[in-house]
Amino acid sequence: GEDVEQSLFLSVREGDSSVINCTYTDSSSTYLYWYKQEPGAGLQLLTYIFSNMDMKQDQRLTVLLNKKDKHLSLRIADTQTGDSAIYFCAPGGYQKVTFGIGTKLQVIP
Amino acid sequence: DGGITQSPKYLFRKEGQNVTLSCEQNLNHDAMYWYRQDPGQGLRLIYYSQIVNDFQKGDIAEGYSVSREKKESFPLTVTSAQKNPTAFYLCASSISRDSLYNEQFFGPGTRLTVL
Repeated sequence: GEDVEQSLFLSVREGDSSVINCTYTDSSSTYLYWYKQEPGAGLQLLTYIFSNMDMKQDQRLTVLLNKKDKHLSLRIADTQTGDSAIYFCAPGGYQKVTFGIGTKLQVIP
Repeated sequence: DGGITQSPKYLFRKEGQNVTLSCEQNLNHDAMYWYRQDPGQGLRLIYYSQIVNDFQKGDIAEGYSVSREKKESFPLTVTSAQKNPTAFYLCASSISRDSLYNEQFFGPGTRLTVL
């Protein structure tokens, strides 16, 4: 089955950029999603990228996709305390989406 | 407001008892899912349903059962056969599992504690 790997924890200072990395194994992934989970809540879609793109920018968020290396990253510019959450990488294809383990982002004021 | 609801938010049960977690959506989505979340393990798929009266096992279905009698509702029963049921349970829905774009909408979750 699909393997999705993310680091467990990232700590950044408020105002700095955060970069969360993800590697996956399924080359047939067509849409690759980033979800955000705040404490005690469900997941919300943050952004996504289609597999024929290598970059997508959405306000403070930049998604980079290296399809050859099966590497996905999420950059959050000017990180705020409200960005503290768990971020899940989720590559998806026909009839499946696989969630990574989640990276807990801690923003230090 | 369209959305997906789960109840209750917190649930306590004694060992050996079955318990049912509710999940309702008014998004007119065909597909619905149940996930279990444990610290350090991410989300694991328990069951999913693509259409009314049909559902499939996910990766960790043992000790769980579901039904899909209505499009809006996908309740999950945690049976006494589930060896380690204490966890955070998340329900989700998507327009269709058959499309390549498969954004899932999540409920707020139910935290189940077995005493």
